Amino acid sequence: GESVGLHLPTLSVQEGDNSIINCAYSNSASDYFIWYKQESGKGPQFIIDIRSNMDKRQGQRVTVLLNKTVKHLSLQIAATQPGDSAVYFCAERGNQGGKLIFGQGTELSVKP
Amino acid sequence: DGGITQSPKYLFRKEGQNVTLSCEQNLNHDAMYWYRQDPGQGLRLIYYSQIVNDFQKGDIAEGYSVSREKKESFPLTVTSAQKNPTAFYLCASTTGYQPQHFGDGTRLSIL
Repeated sequence: GESVGLHLPTLSVQEGDNSIINCAYSNSASDYFIWYKQESGKGPQFIIDIRSNMDKRQGQRVTVLLNKTVKHLSLQIAATQPGDSAVYFCAERGNQGGKLIFGQGTELSVKP
Repeated sequence: DGGITQSPKYLFRKEGQNVTLSCEQNLNHDAMYWYRQDPGQGLRLIYYSQIVNDFQKGDIAEGYSVSREKKESFPLTVTSAQKNPTAFYLCASTTGYQPQHFGDGTRLSIL
């Protein structure tokens, strides 16, 4: 079946360093991918998305890379700040309409 | 401001009791979703609705029920048939190819 998974459940970085959070997906028919940030006790917050006809998209301090050959998605956060500490989820929209499939999540911890 | 409002923020259920979680959106979104999140895990889809008066089961619909009588509202009932209801429940909405927008969740616990 379809699945989205993350390589690393936890990631600890020093403030100011760059962070890279990885995600693997299994459905080659997925056409849309999203990264969400979830702080404790809150709902997921949209960070950035990318469609399958692109391989890179940049936002403010964040970049998403899509490698369809190996079905891999990554989120890069530049100059990581303490406020970036949260759980990050990738999600893919498969071939069943608007439903999203979420990965397990990676907890990012930023050390001052 | 537009957004999704979930209420209550915390909810307690007694044995054999049904409880209803509220989700309201003023984003004019067509589709709405309910997810369950257990500690240290991702989101699992319970039910979703792409249009008023229509909804479909997600991956873990057993023990839950929904209704979609208005575009703005998508309440979720956790029935007594759901034997392990303790979780964080998230409602989301979207339209077209936009990313899903989430509320801030309801935490349900058993008394």
